[in-house]
Amino acid sequence: EVQLVESGGGLVKPGESLRVSCAASGFSFSDAWMSWVRQSPGKGLEWVGRIKAKTDGATTDYTAAVKDRFIISRDDSKGTVFLQMNRLKTEDTAVYYCTTKFNYWGQGTLVVVSS
Amino acid sequence: QSVLTQPPSASGTPGQGVNISCSGGSSNIGNNYVYWYQQLPGMAPKLLIYRNYQRPSGVPDRFSGSKSGTSASLAIGGLRSEDESDFYCAAWDGSLSAFVFGPGTKVTVL
Repeated sequence: EVQLVESGGGLVKPGESLRVSCAASGFSFSDAWMSWVRQSPGKGLEWVGRIKAKTDGATTDYTAAVKDRFIISRDDSKGTVFLQMNRLKTEDTAVYYCTTKFNYWGQGTLVVVSS
Repeated sequence: QSVLTQPPSASGTPGQGVNISCSGGSSNIGNNYVYWYQQLPGMAPKLLIYRNYQRPSGVPDRFSGSKSGTSASLAIGGLRSEDESDFYCAAWDGSLSAFVFGPGTKVTVL
């Protein structure tokens, strides 16, 4: 059974950094492209970015709103994908979901950016 | 402001059919696959349709997807009360190098 479990969310102040993680199991993680999608309270879904498999270069793509502030990385030995969020803004407040193969989603982790 | 356009709401009575449109452009829907997601309140999104019209196992055939040019549609047949939720279309956008979601359509079962 595919499982994606996010962790690391919390309350941070504007300008601070936070790293959230997603632990994956039940599929061949090293072959999978992993994505992050967020949802601000009461709003729609927003794709944050993705990291390809190492065999595809492990390259990353990001939505314009987070480019140069967020970094996605992966540790295939631990089956985990990370989202490093820097210079956080209040508008980054959202539930952050980890997802793969378009079909599998975690339960999400809430990040609140507030002074 | 999303590059994909969806109506904010749609509704029908139990047993009726509902269609949700998703309009984009050549850089997204026109040249890439369309995906449809259902999101129940407080839950993670669930994939309903992938690659324009394919259904993952377990998704009832009441849900069907289609695509023509730069537009796509999700049809829900035989509406049920449990279908009351938000529906999102999505596609890769080659110009933005980003996966884009539509703003979502809230379906109400009257």
